[in-house]
Order: sequence, then C-alpha cells, then structure tokens
Amino acid sequence: QSALTQPASVSGSPGQSITISCTGTSTDIGGYNYVSWYQQLPGKAPKLIIYYVSRRPSGLSNRFSGSKSGNTASLTISGLQAEDEADYYCTSYRGGAPLWVFGGGTKLTVL
Amino acid sequence: QGHLVESGGGLVKPGGSLRLSCAASGFTFSDYFMIWIRQAPGRGLEWVSYISSNSGNLYNADSVKGRFTISRDNAKNSLYLQMNSLRAEDTAVYYCARESQYAFDIWGQGTLVSVSS
Repeated sequence: QSALTQPASVSGSPGQSITISCTGTSTDIGGYNYVSWYQQLPGKAPKLIIYYVSRRPSGLSNRFSGSKSGNTASLTISGLQAEDEADYYCTSYRGGAPLWVFGGGTKLTVL
Repeated sequence: QGHLVESGGGLVKPGGSLRLSCAASGFTFSDYFMIWIRQAPGRGLEWVSYISSNSGNLYNADSVKGRFTISRDNAKNSLYLQMNSLRAEDTAVYYCARESQYAFDIWGQGTLVSVSS
C-alpha cells in the first residue's frame, strides 16, 4: 500500500480537463511544498512534469498544472490529447524516514 | 540537459548479489544529490537509496536497509548500488535519478533486476 493515495484510473475525452488527486498527511504533503508529479508513458522512464507543487520544468506544456490544499495535492491536465495517455505519479518529500513517499499511480485513459 | 545510463541488471538467485551502475553526463555530477528508485512489474514507484553530493549523507528505505549500499565516484561521474542478500521482492526495474529542488528531474532508462531460483 502506497503512502500517498491516488485514484487508480481517470479518463477524459480529447479537449476536456481532468484532475488527479494525491492525498497524504500533515507529515508529507501537508507539511512541505515539495510535491512533484511524474508522467510515465508505457515502457518508458518517468518524466518530471510538476515540482514545488505547481512549477513546470522549462519547456513543458502549460496544459499541465499543479496545486495543493491541506494534505491533498492535485494535477490538472487541460485540453486533453491522445499523447497524454500514461500513468501519473505524485511524490512528496517528508523530511524523515522515509525521505520520500510516492502515490500508487493513476492511469489516464483518453477516450 | 543531462543524461543517465544504468547498467548491471540481470537474473540472480535469491541470496545473491548484484552491483548496479549509473553513468552521468551533460551536467556537473558532483553538484547533485542522487537517488535510486525501483518499480516492480506492474507496480508503482518506490525510492530505494539516496546519497548527498559529497557522499556525506546516505539514506536507505527500510525495505533494503542492511542489504543495499549506495555509493558514488564523482571523479568518474558514476553512481552505484551494491545489492546483497537479494530477495524475490527486489525484482524490479531500477532507475537512477538526479534530485534537484526536491524533485527528480533526470532519469535513466532503467535496468531490470530479476531475483528467481
């Protein structure tokens, strides 16, 4: 069982927006602004898409955005495209053992 | 931007050992903390071991404590993971990644470790 809770799957049609939640506790998500999100395409390594809760790496599409409220972080993908179909993972630094915790991953299906 | 390439994975019997390597290029390796993260077949991500830029601080997940040792050679731009007393549950793809601003911004392609008799 993962330390952070994500829905197992979400789906949306092209052009729509979807949001993936990631719920932790006050010792991880709630205690630090060190939430990051990763996209993993089938058979590939994960790729960083959001860090510091809401910052995007240089060059990444602004269709991806992140936020946090209390112990829950969220990833929103707007204007869904077929190439967004992937697994998405959240993680949070927590300052103590374990140093980082991951969510179990969410499979995004673009209908 | 930077590039990481893992090697050293393979099939090993329970109780056996393997040493993974991760070669870094395209960035100043000695400036960054590094991490090993694994992914069991069909499962999510799990951080395994973490090392500071000068090797002064090492951290291991409870699941590998006492069995795995992370190390690095900044002169060779290389990261290592010595894995001993391997178990079936250690079967996974092992990724090395660069840590920057409390996130993992560069990942290798992964190397598969299979533990089976």
